[in-house]
Amino acid sequence: DIQMTQSPSSLSASVGDRVTITCQASQDISDYLNWYQQKPGKAPKLLIYDASILETGVPSRFSGSGSGTDFTFTISSLQPEDIATYYCQHYDNLPWTFGQGTKVEIK
Amino acid sequence: EVQLVQSGAEVKKPGESLKISCKGSGYSFTSYWIGWVRQMPGKGLEWMGIIHPGDSDTRYSPSFQGQVTISADKSISTAYLQWSSLKASDTAMYYCARQAAAGIGAFDIWGQGTMVTVSS
Repeated sequence: DIQMTQSPSSLSASVGDRVTITCQASQDISDYLNWYQQKPGKAPKLLIYDASILETGVPSRFSGSGSGTDFTFTISSLQPEDIATYYCQHYDNLPWTFGQGTKVEIK
Repeated sequence: EVQLVQSGAEVKKPGESLKISCKGSGYSFTSYWIGWVRQMPGKGLEWMGIIHPGDSDTRYSPSFQGQVTISADKSISTAYLQWSSLKASDTAMYYCARQAAAGIGAFDIWGQGTMVTVSS
């Protein structure tokens, strides 16, 4: 199985800050990488697919980049409603696997 | 509205069997793969497997192969996840989710989740 390693596991930032999360794959996955947001008590929500494509309706402050083994997820200006845990997920081959998650909190 | 609606929370004893469901509506159910994702209490997301309701082609994560069975009944637009003998370690929230499109391995529509509690 391909292992997905996210960092950091948690972070605290102020409203308006730029927030960056990284995701590293244990082998080359091209751009077969997605990002999800999960708020407490809710189902995950797809934000970005194919490493950098914003899902319809997702605010433009969210963005993704990378290819191969190293990927980045960015919130350009953190908002209070962005408090959540964020997960990366690859789909290069089966089984698809998720990163362990990054919990984002407001400072 | 495109949606997946899952069956309600379950409380079971170890050794009991269980089948939970996920009903799709608002789209062509047989045209999209449906996956299952486990989330143990306080933990992250785990991909369990995926089924194509059109022909019941099913793929499992090795971690879940033989532990659960994924199935679908296209006549009622419903996918299922079942256990023949539950263990306490099966206690978790289980989500079904729709694969976005052929060639895009992302889940774009999620069910609300079914909490399964296994306790003696």
